[in-house]
Amino acid sequence: GAVVSQHPSRVICKSGTSVKIECRSLDFQATTMFWYRQFPKQSLMLMATSNEGSKATYEQGVEKDKFLINHASLTLSTLTVTSAHPEDSSFYICSAAGDSGANVLTFGAGSRLTVL
Amino acid sequence: AQSVTQLDSQVPVFEEAPVELRCNYSSSVSVYLFWYVQYPNQGLQLLLKYLSGSTLVKGINGFEAEFNKSQTSFHLRKPSVHISDTAEYFCAGGAGNMLTFGGGTRLMVKP
Repeated sequence: GAVVSQHPSRVICKSGTSVKIECRSLDFQATTMFWYRQFPKQSLMLMATSNEGSKATYEQGVEKDKFLINHASLTLSTLTVTSAHPEDSSFYICSAAGDSGANVLTFGAGSRLTVL
Repeated sequence: AQSVTQLDSQVPVFEEAPVELRCNYSSSVSVYLFWYVQYPNQGLQLLLKYLSGSTLVKGINGFEAEFNKSQTSFHLRKPSVHISDTAEYFCAGGAGNMLTFGGGTRLMVKP
């Protein structure tokens, strides 16, 4: 079945630095991937839709200059949190449509970001 | 606006007892419905999905759900839970960037 790999699973950084999170579809091509943010004990919030070869589509209220998304190939999308601050600490999850079609998403294992 | 509502934020249950996790969706949500499970510090794993066809859907780990159009519900059930079922469960509806998640239900299985 479809597998989505997310890396790193945990990252700790200092305030003001930038952090890159990778999302890879391992055994299928994904023209579209999705990035979510999840606060403790809360549901997933869609941040943006990552489109291969074009600009990402951001949800209302998500700063595109803060959360840079690059989808340079059919198997890789990256999320860069620029000039991270403690309030950016969260669990970030990506997903992609796999073998079952565009209606069924496969999720990565998530990346826990802690900004000191 | 689309919405998916999980009526219970927490459901405590004893091991080997049956459980039902409730989910209701708004009629504006396209009728693709999903249940996902999330273990601590992990991503979401698909339990089961309803895209069309039979309204009773069987998933992994002994879970099943029934799509009820008249009640706009998609409740998740398991006849006998295990300690290992303790996790967060999310109901979702829609597709792609229109996928809407419920608030989640924490299932706590007690020995």
